[in-house]
Amino acid sequence: DQQVKQNSPSLSVQEGRISILNCDYTNSMFDYFLWYKKYPAEGPTFLISISSIKDKNEDGRFTVFLNKSAKHLSLHIVPSQPGDSAVYFCAASFSWGSQGNLIFGKGTKLSVKP
Amino acid sequence: GAVVSQHPSWVICKSGTSVKIECRSLDFQATTMFWYRQFPKQSLMLMATSNEGSKATYEQGVEKDKFLINHASLTLSTLTVTSAHPEDSSFYICSAKTSGRMSTDTQYFGPGTRLTVL
Repeated sequence: DQQVKQNSPSLSVQEGRISILNCDYTNSMFDYFLWYKKYPAEGPTFLISISSIKDKNEDGRFTVFLNKSAKHLSLHIVPSQPGDSAVYFCAASFSWGSQGNLIFGKGTKLSVKP
Repeated sequence: GAVVSQHPSWVICKSGTSVKIECRSLDFQATTMFWYRQFPKQSLMLMATSNEGSKATYEQGVEKDKFLINHASLTLSTLTVTSAHPEDSSFYICSAKTSGRMSTDTQYFGPGTRLTVL
């Protein structure tokens, strides 16, 4: 049973517009969430994270929103650029009693068209 | 930024042979390293967690006698796939966590190793 779900396998956005990638989780004990970007045949690259004590974290063009009651988080990229085209993975973790094991969603392939 | 390397980047082997994959943290000490496996169009699945100088902790369903993990130093962990079979063909990725005490310390991923077993 998947604890972290990314229900959209793909997303296509025009350059300059906003990209919104969604992620849902089932385990309410998760309290730390991360987004990773991955190109084919490469390892994931850390993008941004958020602790459950916050509902928003911003880093340049990337903003992550967390809605704990809905067990939902989203990654906003604005403005989107062609170089953002990649697979984006949402991951969840426990910040206590854990070594930081990450539980990943299946990923969403973002295509940003010029 | 922190860099993690993996070697080899790809390997093809015959069924029944063993393959060793190395994961190195190049510019930081990693007390904890993780090994993941990714099948096509699937998420990264954690296989095991290794701490330097101690035995690895395997996730449920992962055979520890088949996937041998050694974390001999703060910069090197190895994964050996023993008696590989075609169903072991996958993309294996390691990650390393900086030697902080927080479980939320950022994990840095290697570029992955594509294993194909014929």
